[in-house]
Amino acid sequence: QMQLQESGPGLVKPSETLSLTCTVSGGSISSSSYYWGWIRQPPGKGLEWIGTIYYNGNTYYNPSLKSRLTISGDTSKNQFSLNLSSVTAADTAVYYCARHFRSYYDSSGYPDNWGQGTLVTVSS
Amino acid sequence: YVLTQPPSVSVAPGQTARITCEGNNIGSKSVHWYQQKPDQAPVLVVYDDRYRPSGIPERFSGSNSGNTATLTISRVEAGDEADYYCQVWDSSSDLRVVFGGGTKLAVL
Repeated sequence: QMQLQESGPGLVKPSETLSLTCTVSGGSISSSSYYWGWIRQPPGKGLEWIGTIYYNGNTYYNPSLKSRLTISGDTSKNQFSLNLSSVTAADTAVYYCARHFRSYYDSSGYPDNWGQGTLVTVSS
Repeated sequence: YVLTQPPSVSVAPGQTARITCEGNNIGSKSVHWYQQKPDQAPVLVVYDDRYRPSGIPERFSGSNSGNTATLTISRVEAGDEADYYCQVWDSSSDLRVVFGGGTKLAVL
């Protein structure tokens, strides 16, 4: 059973960079069957897709975050990471990493296995 | 691409709950549904319009046609009370993964 676990600081100061890592166990991020991505949820609000990375390094980013966002993968550690720069209070949220099943037919994807989530608060 | 869900749906135990997800020609896309209970991560309950992952009760089913996708929960139980989100992949824009705003299912 594949498991995903987020790690990183729970408190980030405004204007600094939010950095999170997702460690995958029970499977490989080098698999062509999946995307690997991040989704966040501000307190009391709905789900917002942040972005995904494919095993070949291709990335897809939410346009509203693209200028501040980097998602990268480390196959040697079986991890992928999120860096979001110049954060504000609006970036306070629970951040989830998730495996996205990728369709062979049209390359579409959907999150089918989620980490437990980690709360990141942006505050001085 | 915008997905619209009703903010809330209420149903008595043992009855059938239907949660809709509206989008322009959504019937041409694959729709996926997630259940999220308080302080827990979302769980996939229906994928590709109508298929259930292993471990999801048969009471959960889905359909998709025209401009509306529907998640149907039969014989609703108190434990089904949760937020439900629909999701599609939009290959025509940079916003690839689109979620609906979520529906709170209340079991009366």
